[in-house]
Amino acid sequence: AAGVIQSPRHLIKEKRETATLKCYPIPRHDTVYWYQQGPGQDPQFLISFYEKMQSDKGSIPDRFSAQQFSDYHSELNMSSLELGDSALYFCASMRTFGEQYFGPGTRLTVT
Amino acid sequence: KNQVEQSPQSLIILEGKNCTLQCNYTVSPFSNLRWYKQDTGRGPVSLTIMTFSENTKSNGRYTATLDADTKQSSLHITASQLSDSASYICVVTREDSNYQLIWGAGTKLIIKP
Repeated sequence: AAGVIQSPRHLIKEKRETATLKCYPIPRHDTVYWYQQGPGQDPQFLISFYEKMQSDKGSIPDRFSAQQFSDYHSELNMSSLELGDSALYFCASMRTFGEQYFGPGTRLTVT
Repeated sequence: KNQVEQSPQSLIILEGKNCTLQCNYTVSPFSNLRWYKQDTGRGPVSLTIMTFSENTKSNGRYTATLDADTKQSSLHITASQLSDSASYICVVTREDSNYQLIWGAGTKLIIKP
């Protein structure tokens, strides 16, 4: 069965650079969630989209933005990267009232 | 293949009743197993984390068990409350260079008054 795809799997950036993370949900899933998980921490909810519209917003910094495109894939854009942005970024997809499936994550390292 | 299977997919119980959620995994090598509670649209909140040598761990009304031989875990909720309505997700960490997290699909629990 198809799973949630995230790319890239690993990313190394320098401070003040920008990064774009991509998430490809499971086909026919209409909701995408983004999470950030720092070392040894629980995932923190960043933002979610339902039918290409932002549906909920969590602790997403103003330096980050995200959107969901017509093909339901989503991108998380991160600018002015800081050392503290180093984390694992998860994307999860869900079909309304269904189960939530998580992607393998993108490990971002900011140096 | 590294997988985490949870059952049931959804569960409806009356307030005050107990319930048990199941998690079976085929992840290897095994590092630890976590149970998370997740409210709709929010981030997961950790309930318990168990390593290979731990069989039982409690957190209030939540009790998790782990059988590393059969690769099974359960989450038991006693005296359920309306606020327990949420998704409960089992996550297994692989002990590889990246400590990959393998997420289950979750069990949707609904508590009715």
